[in-house]
Amino acid sequence: QKEVEQNSGPLSVPEGAIASLNCTYSDRGSQSFFWYRQYSGKSPELIMSIYSNGDKEDGRFTAQLNKASQYVSLLIRDSQPSDSATYLCAVTPSYNTDKLIFGTGTRLQVFP
Amino acid sequence: NAGVMQNPRHLVRRRGQEARLRCSPMKGHSHVYWYRQLPEEGLKFMVYLQKENIIDESGMPKERFSAEFPKEGPSILRIQQVVRGDSAAYFCASSPPFRTNEQYFGPGTRLTVT
Repeated sequence: QKEVEQNSGPLSVPEGAIASLNCTYSDRGSQSFFWYRQYSGKSPELIMSIYSNGDKEDGRFTAQLNKASQYVSLLIRDSQPSDSATYLCAVTPSYNTDKLIFGTGTRLQVFP
Repeated sequence: NAGVMQNPRHLVRRRGQEARLRCSPMKGHSHVYWYRQLPEEGLKFMVYLQKENIIDESGMPKERFSAEFPKEGPSILRIQQVVRGDSAAYFCASSPPFRTNEQYFGPGTRLTVT
């Protein structure tokens, strides 16, 4: 079982729609969760962090965390073509809080 | 406010040569992490350093790879006797003190071994 799992996609949504990206993790003791955006050929960019159960909103982005289900998601409202990228979920494992374990990412395509 | 800097951005080496990748953390950041991203794979943690100390090298291959973060100057990831399988994007990240989870990535060095 992979430590962090994401559907590779591509996830295709029309411009203006809500994009929903999902991530599951295997380490029940994980406490810190992050979403990174990576454009093709570029480096990952931190867009959201979440540490507590529930929702955290920042502009058009909402991160949702459910530790009981070991599930974290990212919602992007009013999706724009410029949101087209690969979204990486990252988790801090309980056995080593200094490193991040990344999923392989979900490719999002927003079409006009 | 300069971000994490890495150089070179692209590096081509022949099999058997040495590769040196450099990373300067963001201003105010004292923690440096190196990750490797192979084609079609996720980012994999390699090593975590603070000034003059290797804190965690659990992700480093046992041979040919080494890392340092001297008191002065950038962090360096060194790969000796490169092989084709070392071709990848190598990313450095840095974090502020007391918030080691918030890691900000540099532009990466794309290593190609011919």
